[in-house]
Amino acid sequence: GENVEQHPSTLSVQEGDSAVIKCTYSDSASNYFPWYKQELGKRPQLIIDIRSNVGEKKDQRIAVTLNKTAKHFSLHITETQPEDSAVYFCAAGSGGSYIPTFGRGTSLIVHP
Amino acid sequence: ETGVTQTPRHLVMGMTNKKSLKCEQHLGHNAMYWYKQSAKKPLELMFVYSLEERVENNSVPSRFSPECPNSSHLFLHLHTLQPEDSALYLCASSRGLAGTDTQYFGPGTRLTVL
Repeated sequence: GENVEQHPSTLSVQEGDSAVIKCTYSDSASNYFPWYKQELGKRPQLIIDIRSNVGEKKDQRIAVTLNKTAKHFSLHITETQPEDSAVYFCAAGSGGSYIPTFGRGTSLIVHP
Repeated sequence: ETGVTQTPRHLVMGMTNKKSLKCEQHLGHNAMYWYKQSAKKPLELMFVYSLEERVENNSVPSRFSPECPNSSHLFLHLHTLQPEDSALYLCASSRGLAGTDTQYFGPGTRLTVL
């Protein structure tokens, strides 16, 4: 089955800095890579996803990059704000699996 | 109400109690899931349902009993739980049963077992 590793487990940045969270996956058949944000006491919510026919996708201050050869993908947040503080989960999935496999999560703390 | 809803949002129960968690999705999805989220642990998939049929049970103890009467509703029946079962229980749904389908989560039920 798929195995997703996510790093770092905790990331602390100053407001205005960039933050990068990295994930690696094991199943070369995976072709769907969503990222979820879970604020304290709230549900995980999809913030961006990428499919294997593209290498990069942007949405305002967030971007995701995918390297299928190396089997890794990353979330980039620029100009971080305190409201970006949350736990971020990556996941990887394929049509042959029931559901995406989730990483363990990264706790991002943005200091004002 | 739209999206995925869960009730109750908070539940405190003793080890001998019986309670049920409810999940409802208003998205017209065909697959529904239960996850357990404990502090400092990854999301743990518990059960997977597709078109009201259970397709996966991830070695979950029998004190957790799921029920899916139709594709919009999912229940988790709880009995004789242990303190280590205290966690956030998240329901999710997706359009179909595939790793390429986006999962939509409910707000969760915060369960405390005394």
